[in-house]
Amino acid sequence: QMQLQESGPGLVKPSETLSLTCTVSGGSISSSSYHWGWIRQPPGKGLEWIGNIYYGGATYYNPSLKSRVTISVDISKNQFALKLSSVTAADTAVYYCARLWYNWNYAYDYWGRGNLVTVSS
Amino acid sequence: AIQLTQSPSSLSAFVGDRVTITCRASQGIGSVLAWYQQIPGKAPKLLIYDASTLESGVPSRFSGSGSGTDFTLTISILQPEDFATYYCQHFNGYPVTFGQGTRLDMK
Repeated sequence: QMQLQESGPGLVKPSETLSLTCTVSGGSISSSSYHWGWIRQPPGKGLEWIGNIYYGGATYYNPSLKSRVTISVDISKNQFALKLSSVTAADTAVYYCARLWYNWNYAYDYWGRGNLVTVSS
Repeated sequence: AIQLTQSPSSLSAFVGDRVTITCRASQGIGSVLAWYQQIPGKAPKLLIYDASTLESGVPSRFSGSGSGTDFTLTISILQPEDFATYYCQHFNGYPVTFGQGTRLDMK
């Protein structure tokens, strides 16, 4: 059974870089069928797409976050990672990783449980 | 980028009611639209993709319709576990967009 699990610090200081990792189990990240994504949700608010990555390394970012976001993939560890630089309190959110079935239904069918990241000094 | 606007933003209903949520796209997106259910404290769950295809394991009381710019999610007979927030999402090339959500409360 496919599972995704986010990991990383729950507290980040303003102006620093937020770093999260998503570990994929129950399947290979090196599949041509899927893109792997990050979505966040500020407390009490809706879902915001951050970006996706393909195992080959192609990345796709939300234009509003593009200047601060880097998503990378580590095939050997079956993981992909998110870095968000120069964070502020507005970046406080639950961060989810998820799988998007590309070239089929273009929907996120598997999600991690989420990782709450608070930006505070 | 394509915008998705859901209506209503919130609604209240009784167990057993039939409810419909609408998602309108700012331009045509064919039928590449998904619906998710999110219970507080949980990750979103995929309900419907391709506008009208039920994800495996999702109860048949959920249904979706529409194409182009106007889409609907219908719950035919509300159950207690259906009170949640619902989101639409499109993929018509990047970037991905989500609707702002519709909160469904028990009346």
